[in-house]
Amino acid sequence: AQSVTQPDIHITVSEGASLELRCNYSYGATPYLFWYVQSPGQGLQLLLKYFSGDTLVQGIKGFEAEFKRSQSSFNLRKPSVHWSDAAEYFCAVGAKKAAGNKLTFGGGTRVLVKP
Amino acid sequence: NAGVTQTPKFQVLKTGQSMTLQCAQDMNHNSMYWYRQDPGMGLRLIYYSASEGTTDKGEVPNGYNVSRLNKREFSLRLESAAPSQTSVYFCASSENRGTGQPQHFGDGTRLSIL
Repeated sequence: AQSVTQPDIHITVSEGASLELRCNYSYGATPYLFWYVQSPGQGLQLLLKYFSGDTLVQGIKGFEAEFKRSQSSFNLRKPSVHWSDAAEYFCAVGAKKAAGNKLTFGGGTRVLVKP
Repeated sequence: NAGVTQTPKFQVLKTGQSMTLQCAQDMNHNSMYWYRQDPGMGLRLIYYSASEGTTDKGEVPNGYNVSRLNKREFSLRLESAAPSQTSVYFCASSENRGTGQPQHFGDGTRLSIL
């Protein structure tokens, strides 16, 4: 069965600084990978996804993520953080041929943005 | 375009009471899901419905039942609520053409059981 680890529970970053959120997955083959963002009191919004091909994927709100098969990682980055990026971020993995298109989520990383 | 709509948004129950959480999607998606979210544990799948007429257990199904009423609606029922079921519940839906389709989420139901 697949699993996802987000090693950082909380990250504090200054507005305008760069941000990197770590995600490591466990799966026997190339997975489908997703990053979601959750603002307070809201549901999860899809930031970006990796299915195949180019290992650097661009998403909404200026985010990007890089798939590194050798490291089983799919880290999320943003060059310059805005105060509105304060939220919780979830990495998720989906297995190919998984019945019902199920996803497994990491525990999440909460991002705080200092002015 | 409403997407995934969950009702109610908030609910307080007493131990032993029952209730049903409602979910409806207007994207004509085949698959629907119920998750619970607890601090530090991410989202854990309770039940899912790969297509209309089918339901299957997820990671944490104990204490819950589901009904896929039609293609649009997927409800979650707590027959006898327990304090351990205090959580935020999310419904999601996705296409199921092959795999790898992203899931789309509702805004959640915040449930407290006293």
